[in-house]
Amino acid sequence: AQSVTQPDIHITVSEGASLELRCNYSYGATPYLFWYVQSPGQGLQLLLKYFSGDTLVQGIKGFEAEFKRSQSSFNLRKPSVHWSDAAEYFCAVAPYTGNQFYFGTGTSLTVIP
Amino acid sequence: DAGVIQSPRHEVTEMGQEVTLRCKPISGHDYLFWYRQTMMRGLELLIYFNNNVPIDDSGMPEDRFSAKMPNASFSTLKIQPSEPRDSAVYFCASSPTGGTEAFFGQGTRLTVV
Repeated sequence: AQSVTQPDIHITVSEGASLELRCNYSYGATPYLFWYVQSPGQGLQLLLKYFSGDTLVQGIKGFEAEFKRSQSSFNLRKPSVHWSDAAEYFCAVAPYTGNQFYFGTGTSLTVIP
Repeated sequence: DAGVIQSPRHEVTEMGQEVTLRCKPISGHDYLFWYRQTMMRGLELLIYFNNNVPIDDSGMPEDRFSAKMPNASFSTLKIQPSEPRDSAVYFCASSPTGGTEAFFGQGTRLTVV
């Protein structure tokens, strides 16, 4: 069965510090991979996605993610966090030939001055 | 395009009442998903449609829940009768093709008292 694991429930970083949010998936083949962000009271917004090709993908708001097949991971990174990045971050996978999106439990990011 | 539109944004109802949540997907999208978000269970896929046809409703928690998509531009999620444990944020999302990016609405926050 497909599963998505985000091992960090909550992360606190200082503004200007670097950030890495972890995501591991379990699936028999390489799925489509996504990172979404959810601000309080809002829906989910796509940050970036990976389908194939270059394993380092760039997204909006200065985020990037790296797909590592050997580790079944798709970690999200940002070199310098801004206070406005405080939000909930969700990793998601969609089976290569499937039509469903499976979400991790999310990582809540707090940014301190 | 205005994106995925959900109504109402907030709904407070009494236990036992019927609740209907509405969704207008992005024009031209073939897939429509209903998700429920709670603190305890995270984002759960309830049901999804392809070209207005329900494909997988295995996530619908009980017979009290039903969803319809009478045409390509409208879907409803109905709970009858509602219970306090149904309190959650319900998201609708649409996708142009299965497995690619899902676009989310802003959600309906349902409170059953």
